[in-house]
Amino acid sequence: SQTIHQWPATLVQPVGSPLSLECTVEGTSNPNLYWYRQAAGRGLQLLFYSVGIGQISSEVPQNLSASRPQDRQFILSSKKLLLSDSGFYLCAWTGTGPYNEQFFGPGTRLTVL
Amino acid sequence: AQSVTQLDSQVPVFEEAPVELRCNYSSSVSVYLFWYVQYPNQGLQLLLKYLSGSTLVKGINGFEAEFNKSQTSFHLRKPSVHISDTAEYFCAVSKNTGFQKLVFGTGTRLLVSP
Repeated sequence: SQTIHQWPATLVQPVGSPLSLECTVEGTSNPNLYWYRQAAGRGLQLLFYSVGIGQISSEVPQNLSASRPQDRQFILSSKKLLLSDSGFYLCAWTGTGPYNEQFFGPGTRLTVL
Repeated sequence: AQSVTQLDSQVPVFEEAPVELRCNYSSSVSVYLFWYVQYPNQGLQLLLKYLSGSTLVKGINGFEAEFNKSQTSFHLRKPSVHISDTAEYFCAVSKNTGFQKLVFGTGTRLLVSP
């Protein structure tokens, strides 16, 4: 069966520090991968998605970037965190095809102080 | 582009009472519709989905939703809620062709009290 992992689970970082959040998927190959952010009191906002290694699409211009160095690995990064980057970050995957359910990871709670 | 409106940010209800969580969407093309549930500090879990066919869809944990194309709605219902149903519920939409990106509503917090 497929499993999606995210780490760390929680993170507290000072403003201006770098960020690296990791997401890995097991039990599938060539998944579509997604990064979402959930800010307090708001819905989920799609940040990035990827259909293959090295292929990244950005949905919202911002202080973050994403990379996909391996088929089942998706990384969210920042060179300098802002207070507004605080939130709950969720990674998700789907298979390829006409329709595939999105499966979500457990999330990372990021607090920027 | 698609958009989703969840009209209620919070819905308080007593245990064993029925509940309806409202969702309206906007789209110029045909869509798929979803309801997800999120328990505190966890990821999202799919409750149910509408892809095509019967407009009444049944999901996990006794939830069901009805797709109403003329009213562009996809309301979630449960005839009798439990304390354990306390969670955040998200409605989402994606177009039904091409690469699927989910657009989420802002969520409805269901608070079930004894």
